[in-house]
Amino acid sequence: EDQVTQSPEALRLQEGESSSLNCSYTVSGLRGLFWYRQDPGKGPEFLFTLYSAGEEKEKERLKATLTKKESFLHITAPKPEDSATYLCAVAIYNTDKLIFGTGTRLQVFP
Amino acid sequence: AAGVIQSPRHLIKEKRETATLKCYPIPRHDTVYWYQQGPGQDPQFLISFYEKMQSDKGSIPDRFSAQQFSDYHSELNMSSLELGDSALYFCASRPAGTLNNEQFFGPGTRLTVL
Repeated sequence: EDQVTQSPEALRLQEGESSSLNCSYTVSGLRGLFWYRQDPGKGPEFLFTLYSAGEEKEKERLKATLTKKESFLHITAPKPEDSATYLCAVAIYNTDKLIFGTGTRLQVFP
Repeated sequence: AAGVIQSPRHLIKEKRETATLKCYPIPRHDTVYWYQQGPGQDPQFLISFYEKMQSDKGSIPDRFSAQQFSDYHSELNMSSLELGDSALYFCASRPAGTLNNEQFFGPGTRLTVL
């Protein structure tokens, strides 16, 4: 069964304290891996797409990496405005849907 | 930049009533997806449409139906509402001519069933 698991469930960081979020996946045929940011009561905001192992993407304080079994979202020197839930999702062949993980709830304190 | 538009943003219904949610995709996006997100849960795929035809189906109850119109907007019709249908409903759209399945989400409709 296709599955996406994110860890940790929740992460509390001091402002400036870098860390990483993990997304591990078991799927039949990976078409792409996506990272989204979701604020409470709002729609997921697209961050990155990764397609193949070894690929990396960066945006401001965020950097996403991909291996054959997992992806990491590295947050460098986070700020309080980075507080949100970060969702990982995968697309697989022969289907249109995204399969989401349960997310990591990040809180950054000043 | 234009985003996905959903209406209404909030909806309160009684049990056994019906509800219609609307989604207007980003211009030049031809594929629309519907997701349901319960409290504290991840989004669950319901159904998708490409060029007005159903392209994929997920865990959508038989009480729900959806369609995509010639202007690419989509409507999710929900009948015989149950308490468990209370959730955030998101619509997402994908740019025409792409195969990478990048989906851009709207702000959601919060449905409360009393």
